[in-house]
Amino acid sequence: GAVVSQHPSRVICKSGTSVKIECRSLDFQATTMFWYRQFPKQSLMLMATSNEGSKATYEQGVEKDKFLINHASLTLSTLTVTSAHPEDSSFYICSANRDHEQFFGPGTRLTVL
Amino acid sequence: RKEVEQDPGPFNVPEGATVAFNCTYSNSASQSFFWYRQDCRKEPKLLMSVYSSGNEDGRFTAQLNRASQYISLLIRDSKLSDSATYLCVVNKGSGDMRFGAGTRLTVKP
Repeated sequence: GAVVSQHPSRVICKSGTSVKIECRSLDFQATTMFWYRQFPKQSLMLMATSNEGSKATYEQGVEKDKFLINHASLTLSTLTVTSAHPEDSSFYICSANRDHEQFFGPGTRLTVL
Repeated sequence: RKEVEQDPGPFNVPEGATVAFNCTYSNSASQSFFWYRQDCRKEPKLLMSVYSSGNEDGRFTAQLNRASQYISLLIRDSKLSDSATYLCVVNKGSGDMRFGAGTRLTVKP
């Protein structure tokens, strides 16, 4: 069964709005979760590392004020895309580590009109 | 230079063929290595871990050469269901995974 869930699976929004994506670890605690972005026909690119109880660590070139990450509990991390624009349209995937294996959520497809 | 480099393909092979994918990584301190499979519009799923001693899982064989910083995946007797993108993944430590761009495989009848 699923180990990591994401919600929503798909979202379409207007330019300028904010979108929140949830990532949950199921039946295990994840002090660290990872957020990736994947554009069509490209590989996953790590955006940030989400740390429970502390600030996220962002990869170079990722705007922390645009992509807000909150890891308020051991089973939930959220990514908020603020003031979304069409160029933010992408497939967003989170992951968490359990027993030395990385499990990925099913992904959230964001389309900004 | 990219941290993980793969031949993007695509590889178009007939059923039953043997196909090999290669991958190189730049960080010599990388700790562990994997091949993931990603189907279209789906999340990546672990195919197999890669060890220096080489490991085999059915039709799939993975190999790691730490000295050359090179990883390979061999698929024997290809099936239609093997069609997917294969991602070479390197763990830098603490779960910080770096992905190659992926190699697309299409197996045709």
